[in-house]
Amino acid sequence: DAKTTQPNSMESNEEEPVHLPCNHSTISGTDYIHWYRQLPSQGPEYVIHGLTSNVNNRMASLAIAEDRKSSTLILHRATLRDAAVYYCILRESGTASKLTFGTGTRLQVTL
Amino acid sequence: KAGVTQTPRYLIKTRGQQVTLSCSPISGHRSVSWYQQTPGQGLQFLFEYFSETQRNKGNFPGRFSGRQFSNSRSEMNVSTLELGDSALYLCASSLLWTANNEQFFGPGTRLTVL
Repeated sequence: DAKTTQPNSMESNEEEPVHLPCNHSTISGTDYIHWYRQLPSQGPEYVIHGLTSNVNNRMASLAIAEDRKSSTLILHRATLRDAAVYYCILRESGTASKLTFGTGTRLQVTL
Repeated sequence: KAGVTQTPRYLIKTRGQQVTLSCSPISGHRSVSWYQQTPGQGLQFLFEYFSETQRNKGNFPGRFSGRQFSNSRSEMNVSTLELGDSALYLCASSLLWTANNEQFFGPGTRLTVL
């Protein structure tokens, strides 16, 4: 499985945008980039995913570098409820659809 | 639409016993995956089922097994429990068995082995 590298932790102020980086220099051409988050005492929650183009949904935006070796999850206005561990995951296209979780980035949001 | 449900939510067993955990996917979802979460190892993939067939398996010993029924409900079984099996066991369902699909996780079953 291709590996991802994320900072262990980040802090943000409430109401401000947050940019969570992820490096995946060994990504293959058919790997999808997925982001999940896990709030305290809950199961992981899907956030967003993409292949080559930038993606937007109601929760966040995903910016993918042109060479696909890195990506950034953007939370446009962080709230206290966004405090969670964020996981950047590469999923192989085709038959191997499992999620391989790394250690993720723990996001702290303060008032 | 109801989410992924897992039963029981909490379980206490002793070493050497066996345990069966149950997962009901979101209605219409045919793919079910299982994960183990521990403080030391993080979230690790156990196995995935689609249309009653195991499609993918993680690196766990044979004591860990699973199955999926025709209604897509899934069970996982752990035999001869060890202390290290204490963990949060998470089930996730998705509509299709592809990388271009999101997985929806249940709340998990917390297993404690004494």
